[in-house]
Amino acid sequence: AQSVTQPDIHITVSEGASLELRCNYSYGATPYLFWYVQSPGQGLQLLLKYFSGDTLVQGIKGFEAEFKRSQSSFNLRKPSVHWSDAAEYFCAVGEGNTPLVFGKGTRLSVIA
Amino acid sequence: DADVTQTPRNRITKTGKRIMLECSQTKGHDRMYWYRQDPGLGLRLIYYSFDVKDINKGEISDGYSVSRQAQAKFSLSLESAIPNQTALYFCATSSPRGGVGDEQYFGPGTRLTVT
Repeated sequence: AQSVTQPDIHITVSEGASLELRCNYSYGATPYLFWYVQSPGQGLQLLLKYFSGDTLVQGIKGFEAEFKRSQSSFNLRKPSVHWSDAAEYFCAVGEGNTPLVFGKGTRLSVIA
Repeated sequence: DADVTQTPRNRITKTGKRIMLECSQTKGHDRMYWYRQDPGLGLRLIYYSFDVKDINKGEISDGYSVSRQAQAKFSLSLESAIPNQTALYFCATSSPRGGVGDEQYFGPGTRLTVT
């Protein structure tokens, strides 16, 4: 069955430090990959997406993610975290004509 | 104006009551979805619709029903609400181009509390 795993439930980083959020998936073919962010009290906003081509994709707010087929991973990165990045982050995977499957999310806390 | 709107934004209801959550979109998308979000469980798909005449059950459809009144409107009903349906509910839309990449756009959510 299709599945998406975000191994880290909660991560705390210092402002200005680098960030990497992990996402692993289990799919039969090359999936479509997404990262969404949910700020407190808000809906989900798309950060970036990967369909094909260059495996390093750039998104909004200074985020990037790299698709690694050999590791079935699509990790999200940011070189320098800002306090406003505190939020919950969801990885999502789609394949063909089926609805997206979401991971359970990683909550990011940012400390001074 | 928001592209995907949900009403109400907050609702408190009692066990056994019927309740309807409404979703409207101005994006012109064919596909619409209902999810619920619970702490630690992420988003789980309740129902989805790929066009007006198409309704499909998701992962957790028991206790819920939906109606796709028009391309732009997709309603979620709880026929007899129970406390474990207390959650944050999201509507989403998408329109994959040529079947590629089902990027979804989310509404602001409805916080439902069943007492």
